[in-house]
Amino acid sequence: GDSVTQTEGLVTLTEGLPVMLNCTYQTAYSTFLFWYVQHLNEAPKLLLKSSTDNKRTEHQGFHATLHKSSSSFHLQKSSAQLSDSALYYCALSRGKLTFGEGTQVTVIS
Amino acid sequence: EAAVTQSPRNKVAVTGGKVTLSCNQTNNHNNMYWYRQDTGHGLRLIHYSYGAGSTEKGDIPDGYKASRPSQENFSLILELATPSQTSVYFCASGDWTGVYEQYFGPGTRLTVL
Repeated sequence: GDSVTQTEGLVTLTEGLPVMLNCTYQTAYSTFLFWYVQHLNEAPKLLLKSSTDNKRTEHQGFHATLHKSSSSFHLQKSSAQLSDSALYYCALSRGKLTFGEGTQVTVIS
Repeated sequence: EAAVTQSPRNKVAVTGGKVTLSCNQTNNHNNMYWYRQDTGHGLRLIHYSYGAGSTEKGDIPDGYKASRPSQENFSLILELATPSQTSVYFCASGDWTGVYEQYFGPGTRLTVL
């Protein structure tokens, strides 16, 4: 079946430093990959999405590139802000979403 | 913007009691989903629906039933609640637009004592 792996469960980093969250996936089908972000006591919201191989997609300062050859969709940002502290989920979709376990990001000053 | 609402937002139930969580969407989406969120497990799919009158089992359906009486409403039912069902439950809606993006409600925090 489909699966998504996020290797970091907890990430703590200093404001202004770059962010990279790993996401790899397994599926036998063509699919969309997503990053969702969930701030404390809020609903998950879509951050990025892509189905195009090797194309960079950007939103709100974050970017990710889908690499089908390595089944990866890593999330990056050049400079972390305090407001980026949140839970980040990678997910793939074939009609229903399959989520990774999430990465809790804490940005400190 | 897409609108998904859930009620109640917080619920305390007793073991063995019946609990119904409700979800309403005004997006006119065909598909609706129920997830639970637990630390270390992320978001796990319980039940979903392709339209009024349909329900499908997700990845962790045991102990839960679902009901989709209309396009707008999707309920999650715990007939005999257990402490292991203490969690935060999210409802979502989405459609077959080719992207399969989902919009989430604000969540219901359920505590079973």
